[in-house]
Amino acid sequence: SQQGEEDPQALSIQEGENATMNCSYKTSINNLQWYRQNSGRGLVHLILIRSNEREKHSGRLRVTLDTSKKSSSLLITASRAADTASYFCATDAGAGNMLTFGGGTRLMVKP
Amino acid sequence: EAEVAQSPRYKITEKSQAVAFWCDPISGHATLYWYRQILGQGPELLVQFQDESVVDDSQLPKDRFSAERLKGVDSTLKIQPAELGDSAMYLCASSFVEQRNIQYFGAGTRLSVL
Repeated sequence: SQQGEEDPQALSIQEGENATMNCSYKTSINNLQWYRQNSGRGLVHLILIRSNEREKHSGRLRVTLDTSKKSSSLLITASRAADTASYFCATDAGAGNMLTFGGGTRLMVKP
Repeated sequence: EAEVAQSPRYKITEKSQAVAFWCDPISGHATLYWYRQILGQGPELLVQFQDESVVDDSQLPKDRFSAERLKGVDSTLKIQPAELGDSAMYLCASSFVEQRNIQYFGAGTRLSVL
């Protein structure tokens, strides 16, 4: 079963615009991660935010975490065509450090 | 940069046949994971190894799926017999014991069962 649910399921924007995708989860977590997957490829880790953190930045990525609402958001600023991919949130609830992935947001950035 | 190697990249088989997938994790990564990803969905964990031991295989359909990591390095996932519903991407990932939170994925094996 998948703990995280991403919203929206699909997002289409123009190059240069910002892209925001959200993740909601059900149980308490140790940390939450975001991964990216290009079509037909494996996942690539983007960023990890711990349960005691509220915001984290990495380059053009900004992640927020609200544990009271059990939700997180990923913001990609100044998007590029190369950002076109699926983005997944994954929660670590502490059971053997296993990750539970959401269903993903499919982002298309038009040049 | 070190990568997780998986083979084959694509596999087409008929139902009731046996299939096997191979994974070679990044050198030094003691933890290895097998995931199944149905098109349009997120990956779902099938089995997790710590060295050669199974840590969790609660979601592995044991009547037809098996996984092994005999020497604690590379791993094989087998399906016998394959069913139509097994068509999916099978992803392997590995991680450092000290950094089990962050997983490194291979490119996957796309299985089509006809």
